[in-house]
Amino acid sequence: DIQMTQSPSSLSASVGDRVTITCRASQGISNYLAWYQQKPGKVPKLLIYAASTLQSGVPSRFSGSGSGTDFTLIISSLQPEDVATYYCQKYNTAPRTFGQGTKVEVK
Amino acid sequence: EVQLVESGGVVVQPGGSLRLSCAATGFTFDGYTMNWVRQAPGKGLEWVSLINWDGGRTYYADSVKGRFTISRDNNKNSLYLQMNSLRTEDTALYYCAKDMGITTVLDYWGQGTLVTVSS
Repeated sequence: DIQMTQSPSSLSASVGDRVTITCRASQGISNYLAWYQQKPGKVPKLLIYAASTLQSGVPSRFSGSGSGTDFTLIISSLQPEDVATYYCQKYNTAPRTFGQGTKVEVK
Repeated sequence: EVQLVESGGVVVQPGGSLRLSCAATGFTFDGYTMNWVRQAPGKGLEWVSLINWDGGRTYYADSVKGRFTISRDNNKNSLYLQMNSLRTEDTALYYCAKDMGITTVLDYWGQGTLVTVSS
C-alpha cells in the first residue's frame, strides 16, 4: 500500500508568515491528493482536492500544488484562526491513506 | 443542509462486538459513496472503510480487514459499521463521511461517535 508522509510534524510561525507543509507519497498518485484542516476539538474540513483545487468557501491564502509523489500546502499569510492540524490524503485507490498530520501553531 | 449523525459508540470489552450507525439527511444518500474514518485519542486520522452507492463495492484498511463490515440501507438513508473481535487499539472517535461525488474526497463529516475498547 502507498504510504503518505508529511513534514514537518509540527511548526510554529508568526501571524502573517508564509507556511509550507509537504506531503510525499511512496508511489505516484497523479494529482489524487486532498488536504484537510482539523481545528482543536472540531471535525476535519476539506480544504483542497485534486492537489490544487480550493474547496468552496476556503480562503484564498490557502493553496496547494504538486503531482506524482510530492505535494505542498501553502498558507500565504498565517492567521490566528489557522491554528489546526493539517492532513493530506490520497484518494486515487483504496486504502485512502492519510498522512500523519502537521500541527500548526501561532507564535 | 447535509447532516451526518453517528451513533452506537460505547465502552466494550476486548473481543466484543459493536455496530455503529450513521443517519444521513440533506442529500440523495443513494447517490454517494460513504466512508468511515477514525481518530484515536490525541492521534491522527485513519481511513477505515468505504462503500459505494449501492453497496456492491467495499474496501477496508488492513488494520480492520476481516473484523469490520461496512454496509448501508439506502431505504433508511443509513450507513453502518459492524465491528467484531474488537481490540484496545480500535479505541477511537469514529466519523462517518460522505464522498463529494464529482471526486472521491470527503466533503461532509459527522461529529463522530466514541468507541472505547477496555476491560
